[in-house]
Amino acid sequence: DAGVTQSPTHLIKTRGQQVTLRCSPKSGHDTVSWYQQALGQGPQFIFQYYEEEERQRGNFPDRFSGHQFPNYSSELNVNALLLGDSALYLCASSLLTDTQYFGPGTRLTVL
Amino acid sequence: SQELEQSPQSLIVQEGKNLTINCTSSKTLYGLYWYKQKYGEGLIFLMMLQKGGEEKSHEKITAKLDEKKQQSSLHITASQPSHAGIYLCGAGQGAQKLVFGQGTRLTINP
Repeated sequence: DAGVTQSPTHLIKTRGQQVTLRCSPKSGHDTVSWYQQALGQGPQFIFQYYEEEERQRGNFPDRFSGHQFPNYSSELNVNALLLGDSALYLCASSLLTDTQYFGPGTRLTVL
Repeated sequence: SQELEQSPQSLIVQEGKNLTINCTSSKTLYGLYWYKQKYGEGLIFLMMLQKGGEEKSHEKITAKLDEKKQQSSLHITASQPSHAGIYLCGAGQGAQKLVFGQGTRLTINP
């Protein structure tokens, strides 16, 4: 049974560019959440998708947007990248009212 | 908004020793999750606590939630090199957004 998968593993972008990160949830899960983890910090909640709709959102600007597809996979898009967007981006999947299981993350470096 | 504070921020112990990590919340905890993270990798789910006074164990790791549901502790007995990593506590209900502490970095010396 495959767990949560994310792609790509690493990514290097320059300021002002746009980036798309992808997540495939654990089999049977219908809810996907995205988190940003800066170096030395705990993860911070970005948003959550359920039934292809954004269900909750954390304190992140509109430059961060997402999408969930009918197969429950999800994308995180970040526009107009800033140096401060450099972080590990984590995807977590769950059933709506159950424990969140995390993927390996995508390391984004903005130069 | 809810805030979690973990202590200590880092911990170095000799292999075979016991250790405890604490997680204190600014508000009542309705769900407390413990995760382990290898440096730069994803989070591995360890345990979830919901009820005041609840205690759960998995192998040599025991987690407790106090009666007032504002503090949790993670205890490792007879530590091994495989226990090294970053331990994170997270607060949330069900699949609601999780609020995390800053993490405790554990190093095990042989």
